[in-house]
Amino acid sequence: SYVLTQPPSVSVAPGQTARISCGGNNIGSKSVHWYHQKPGQAPVLVVYDDSDRPSGIPERFSGSNSGNTATLTISRVEAGDEADYYCQVWDRSSDHVVFGGGTKLTVL
Amino acid sequence: EVQLVESGGGLVQPGRSLRLSCVVSGFTFDDYAMHWVRQAPGKGLEWVSGISWNSHSIGHADSVKGRFTISRDNAKNSLYLQMNSLRAEDTAFYYCAKDINGDYVDDAFDIWGQGTMVIVSS
Repeated sequence: SYVLTQPPSVSVAPGQTARISCGGNNIGSKSVHWYHQKPGQAPVLVVYDDSDRPSGIPERFSGSNSGNTATLTISRVEAGDEADYYCQVWDRSSDHVVFGGGTKLTVL
Repeated sequence: EVQLVESGGGLVQPGRSLRLSCVVSGFTFDDYAMHWVRQAPGKGLEWVSGISWNSHSIGHADSVKGRFTISRDNAKNSLYLQMNSLRAEDTAFYYCAKDINGDYVDDAFDIWGQGTMVIVSS
């Protein structure tokens, strides 16, 4: 089955740029979606189809996808961005949705 | 206002059954695919099941195939998850989630419910 690999944690100072990676075999050929989840809350979609933003998501959130790595970039990080972030793809070989293991973003 | 409200969770013994429901409002339910996603305590997200807008396409994760069944009633704006032969490892928070499109293939989930907790224990 298809595996998505995310770093367990990323730390960044306020105002800096956070980059969260999502690795997978030829992930560049897939559409990648990103969610954040704050403690005790449901996940929220922040980027879909590699780089599109749902309405209401700040432009500070952007995504890219190429080769074996997709990346969620959060510019001008704020304390409120602290959350767990998950990437997601569709695995055509199994007809399953696959989530990455999640990355905890800590704002220092 | 778009809302997804799950219900039906609780404490259940191993081997028993439980049926989760998700009632939606604020959008045209039968235009969209729907999914169930679960999260074990302290763990990440795991897709459980998905169903297309017309119920013609359905998928289940290998971990629940043969035990869980997803279904929907478009007339009642409701999504269901019938869970049979429950195991301790099925203990998790169960979320229903709205797909961006009508089929359940290759899409993001743009709206999530608040979830319902299922605890499988003797």
